[in-house]
Amino acid sequence: DVKVTQSSRYLVKRTGEKVFLECVQDMDHENMFWYRQDPGLGLRLIYFSYDVKMKEKGDIPEGYSVSREKKERFSLILESASTNQTSMYLCASLGQGITSSYEQYFGPGTRLTVT
Amino acid sequence: GESVGLHLPTLSVQEGDNSIINCAYSNSASDYFIWYKQESGKGPQFIIDIRSNMDKRQGQRVTVLLNKTVKHLSLQIAATQPGDSAVYFCAEKSGYNKLIFGAGTRLAVHP
Repeated sequence: DVKVTQSSRYLVKRTGEKVFLECVQDMDHENMFWYRQDPGLGLRLIYFSYDVKMKEKGDIPEGYSVSREKKERFSLILESASTNQTSMYLCASLGQGITSSYEQYFGPGTRLTVT
Repeated sequence: GESVGLHLPTLSVQEGDNSIINCAYSNSASDYFIWYKQESGKGPQFIIDIRSNMDKRQGQRVTVLLNKTVKHLSLQIAATQPGDSAVYFCAEKSGYNKLIFGAGTRLAVHP
């Protein structure tokens, strides 16, 4: 079974703090994604990575950056946390196999509160 | 007042009934669609997917129907159980391996 883990389930940070959210997958997947989830807005893509050291902006990258130094790990960084970044953050991974599925495997999420 | 989009549409069904969750997608060129289930406190889990060269696909107790003419997707759950209570998301493939998610529908199953 694919396992995607996130470093924290709950996190409380203060405005202006630098925040690191870590995600690790154990299936040697090439693609990894960071989403934020807000009520009624579904999942919105922040950044994704299709290979080590490669990154692409998603739909809402402002205020975030990412790092992919190793294939299994994808980090989301909030350089200076703001209250409007209070949200649920979900990490996902996707293999580059020969199947026709684009199923992304999700971690359990990190609920971040910025006060 | 409240803003549009902050509240999920909710489908309430009786245990044992069939449920139909609907989804409209935006891109007529999309060639792959997927349904996820998200239980409280968990990440989304894959339910079923379908390619655009099909109009129906069945899994265990679930069926996905695709109507490309009106850009509509539906998820049918047979004999709905309390364990089916969750938020359901549809998504369409966009570009290189990305998915665009809908806002979600909450399914509430009552005994």
